[in-house]
Amino acid sequence: DSGVTQTPKHLITATGQRVTLRCSPRSGDLSVYWYQQSLDQGLQFLIQYYNGEERAKGNILERFSAQQFPDLHSELNLSSLELGDSALYFCASSVQTSGGGGEQFFGPGTRLTVL
Amino acid sequence: GENVEQHPSTLSVQEGDSAVIKCTYSDSASNYFPWYKQELGKRPQLIIDIRSNVGEKKDQRIAVTLNKTAKHFSLHITETQPEDSAVYFCAATTPGGGNKLTFGTGTQLKVEL
Repeated sequence: DSGVTQTPKHLITATGQRVTLRCSPRSGDLSVYWYQQSLDQGLQFLIQYYNGEERAKGNILERFSAQQFPDLHSELNLSSLELGDSALYFCASSVQTSGGGGEQFFGPGTRLTVL
Repeated sequence: GENVEQHPSTLSVQEGDSAVIKCTYSDSASNYFPWYKQELGKRPQLIIDIRSNVGEKKDQRIAVTLNKTAKHFSLHITETQPEDSAVYFCAATTPGGGNKLTFGTGTQLKVEL
């Protein structure tokens, strides 16, 4: 157990719908990262938050958005869902925020299936 | 941005043999290189990492080497065991603009009895 929690574990929805994925970081970690893992794209960085502020952005679609709340939990919102959005979404957390590296602890993931 | 290439995509070894997975990165400013192991349906877990000011690091049966000049780093697993079977990902972090990981495409390692 990494100490990072994600809910829900599985999510099945239809095209065009909107879903929210939730992540709680390890105690004391201020940075939260979201990654998408699909069969054809591997592990792709989406977005990072540090202490409530957006810190880095990857190839995140405009239909996707995220935020980090004062209690440090984060939510990833996916809207106008398409079949290609089906993937495993991981949240990770770490102490570091800058590019100094350091272990990122991954949550168990949310498996999203868009039908 | 950073690009990380990883080879081979699949690797099959006999139990007790060594396994080597290689990665190259594009951004010479990258300074942190972790390796993650992911079992089927599970989360990625860090197994070893190395920073750019170190050329080699070892932890029991696992070692990582870094060649900054060639922008190349490798994972070495000795005395492989069936429980080493998993997908291994290399990654790199570039300073500035956060701490995001750019991952390689993964290597499916199978250790056969």
